[in-house]
Amino acid sequence: GDSVTQMEGPVTLSEEAFLTINCTYTATGYPSLFWYVQYPGEGLQLLLKATKADDKGSNKGFEATYRKETTSFHLEKGSVQVSDSAVYFCALSDSGNQFYFGTGTSLTVIP
Amino acid sequence: SQTIHQWPATLVQPVGSPLSLECTVEGTSNPNLYWYRQAAGRGLQLLFYSVGIGQISSEVPQNLSASRPQDRQFILSSKKLLLSDSGFYLCAWGRRVTEAFFGQGTRLTVV
Repeated sequence: GDSVTQMEGPVTLSEEAFLTINCTYTATGYPSLFWYVQYPGEGLQLLLKATKADDKGSNKGFEATYRKETTSFHLEKGSVQVSDSAVYFCALSDSGNQFYFGTGTSLTVIP
Repeated sequence: SQTIHQWPATLVQPVGSPLSLECTVEGTSNPNLYWYRQAAGRGLQLLFYSVGIGQISSEVPQNLSASRPQDRQFILSSKKLLLSDSGFYLCAWGRRVTEAFFGQGTRLTVV
């Protein structure tokens, strides 16, 4: 069945460092791919998405490109800030009604 | 615009007591509704989803049940809570092949 494998954390970076969080997926069809972010004490918020191969989702300086050939959707940011500290979830939605989430990656950015 | 309400925000319940968590959506009709659980140190697990009134699909056999008495209301219940039911419960709504919008979550601690 469909699934998402996400880089395990926790990840600790200094402010202004480069961030990569790896995400690969398994799907039988052509899913849409998402990154969600969960700030401390809050629910999940959509960060970015891509609905077809080679699409690039971007928001708040974060980017991820839908790579069908490598079945990946890695999250990147060129310069992280303390306010980016959160848990990041990679997810896919198939042609049905379900969303499949990775296990989440905790990011801590230190000044 | 659409909004999702989930309550309570936190809950402490003794083992063996019943549970009822409520979620309502405003500003849309016939949404797909979801209940997820995020256990400590683990990722998001889809518990139930519903595509319409009275239609519930269960992803994981467990001590919980869900009901959808109205189009925009989704209730998570248990007759007798277990210690292992502790976690962060998230309600979400969405459409086919699009993102899920999450509520603020309920932190449940079973003691």
